[in-house]
Amino acid sequence: SQQGEEDPQALSIQEGENATMNCSYKTSINNLQWYRQNSGRGLVHLILIRSNEREKHSGRLRVTLDTSKKSSSLLITASRAADTASYFCATATLGGNTGKLIFGQGTTLQVKP
Amino acid sequence: EAGVAQSPRYKIIEKRQSVAFWCNPISGHATLYWYQQILGQGPKLLIQFQNNGVVDDSQLPKDRFSAERLKGVDSTLKIQPAKLEDSAVYLCASRPLDRTNSPLHFGNGTRLTVT
Repeated sequence: SQQGEEDPQALSIQEGENATMNCSYKTSINNLQWYRQNSGRGLVHLILIRSNEREKHSGRLRVTLDTSKKSSSLLITASRAADTASYFCATATLGGNTGKLIFGQGTTLQVKP
Repeated sequence: EAGVAQSPRYKIIEKRQSVAFWCNPISGHATLYWYQQILGQGPKLLIQFQNNGVVDDSQLPKDRFSAERLKGVDSTLKIQPAKLEDSAVYLCASRPLDRTNSPLHFGNGTRLTVT
């Protein structure tokens, strides 16, 4: 079963603009991770945020986590054409098999040059 | 370090035929995952190994899918017999031990088309 739901399903912006993607999940988590997938390739890890963290930065990426609302957002600033890809959130559930990552349906981002 | 290797890259078979996929994880990674990704969807976990033991196979259709990880290194995923709805990309991923706060490393996947 899918844990996360992402919003929007698709996003199209101009180069230089910011892109924001949202992820909601259902159960308590240990951590939440964001991955990028270029067409025809595997997923690449972008950033991990633990359940006791509220915000994390990595280069042009900013991730927030609100455990009370069971939601996270990924912000890509000053987007580039090379950021065109699908983005997935994935959650590691608290307790039980914490090595299990459950992925959302993803957001497809198109950055126009 | 070398990444996760998968083969073949593409496979086309007819329904009711069998097919096998191979994965070689990153050296030293004890945990290995097989995910199924249907077009337009997120990856769905099929099976998770730690060394050569199964940790989770709750979503593996065991009447037709099987997987093994002999010697705790390489892994194979088999489908027999294939159905049309098995058309998808099969992704292998690995990570060191079963560390919760560490990312997964993915291979480029095998794209299966069942006709």
